[in-house]
Amino acid sequence: GAGVSQTPSNKVTEKGKYVELRCDPISGHTALYWYRQSLGQGPEFLIYFQGTGAADDSGLPNDRFFAVRPEGSVSTLKIQRTERGDSAVYLCASSPGQTDTQYFGPGTRLTVL
Amino acid sequence: AQKITQTQPGMFVQEKEAVTLDCTYDTSDPSYGLFWYKQPSSGEMIFLIYQGSYDQQNATEGRYSLNFQKARKSANLVISASQLGDSAMYFCAMRENLMGGGNKLTFGTGTQLKVEL
Repeated sequence: GAGVSQTPSNKVTEKGKYVELRCDPISGHTALYWYRQSLGQGPEFLIYFQGTGAADDSGLPNDRFFAVRPEGSVSTLKIQRTERGDSAVYLCASSPGQTDTQYFGPGTRLTVL
Repeated sequence: AQKITQTQPGMFVQEKEAVTLDCTYDTSDPSYGLFWYKQPSSGEMIFLIYQGSYDQQNATEGRYSLNFQKARKSANLVISASQLGDSAMYFCAMRENLMGGGNKLTFGTGTQLKVEL
């Protein structure tokens, strides 16, 4: 079956702009996660959804970052007033249930000029 | 807080040889899970193998095996019969339970493996 998909694969924006990154999880997976991977580092947790609700957003770096999952499937990560330090690969993962193995998408490479 | 340490930034191995990628971890939770993921240059994180803290036997998945030494807090990945397609970045990760249910993964900094002819 289809894996986790993310769009766009690449996004270049200017400092101060607003961006939206989309994640389409594996069908039937109830848990969805966002991670951020900076150059030369491992991914870092941002936020976790169980169904439609954000069960844990403790990894979001500040209030410029927000994510939604209105129908319990597709999720959108939203970044306001982007800064150069936001440049990274944003990875989405999903799992069948809360404690199952997470399966990752190909990521969105965000570049803030 | 949980921590994962991968001390090998880069490793080389000859095709068909075995290679061990090191991972040590630190946690105060009695129940935890350890994962290895492969990240090729395309960027996708590919799940390889999982070891639960209470599992009695070391996990194996095809050419991948996990050398789990609980007392030493190590969870090394062993790849047997290396292939050129194994060249990639490899990440060790630990599962941490979240307050709202579910879990998050804490990753190490990765080891870049290069398989040579």
